[in-house]
Amino acid sequence: NAGVMQNPRHLVRRRGQEARLRCSPMKGHSHVYWYRQLPEEGLKFMVYLQKENIIDESGMPKERFSAEFPKEGPSILRIQQVVRGDSAAYFCASSPRADHTDTQYFGPGTRLTVL
Amino acid sequence: GDSVTQMEGPVTLSEEAFLTINCTYTATGYPSLFWYVQYPGEGLQLLLKATKADDKGSNKGFEATYRKETTSFHLEKGSVQVSDSAVYFCALMGSNYKLTFGKGTLLTVNP
Repeated sequence: NAGVMQNPRHLVRRRGQEARLRCSPMKGHSHVYWYRQLPEEGLKFMVYLQKENIIDESGMPKERFSAEFPKEGPSILRIQQVVRGDSAAYFCASSPRADHTDTQYFGPGTRLTVL
Repeated sequence: GDSVTQMEGPVTLSEEAFLTINCTYTATGYPSLFWYVQYPGEGLQLLLKATKADDKGSNKGFEATYRKETTSFHLEKGSVQVSDSAVYFCALMGSNYKLTFGKGTLLTVNP
């Protein structure tokens, strides 16, 4: 059973460009979560999605950031007009249910560097 | 709101030494508690978890017991190996689906 897949693993963008991060959940998982890990910090929740629905985006910056999880294909985290402060590791996780006892399984992450 | 406080590192040990990484939490209700491990350049892997008070999670020689009275979930291992060198994150999941993480503890084990 393949794990959570993320690509690209590393992404370099110049200020003002767009970054698109992709996440394919584990087979059979319909719940996807995005977390951001800033240097020297733990992971912070950004957004929770189910197929075609954003359930909770309370951790996502109000501007420039958006996420989707279409009926077909991977979940996408999109950052428009990137700034240096967006440089971080972005992790996607998935779970079969959204129960507080469930384990969220993490992908390898995308490390975004903004020049 | 929910929060997790874990022992700040870095922690450096010799092989076969005893390991403790302290973790305490604040949450309403009855959260589930987790330890994740992150090896260099990789994502997080679940190490162990406990979903109710007095449960003990264990895996690969690591253990942690959910102590509601002290709101703690300390990670222990009796004899560490060089391959245990990694960053360890304590986390909780409350009544919702969001994981709240501690800042992580870097463990280095020397031969």
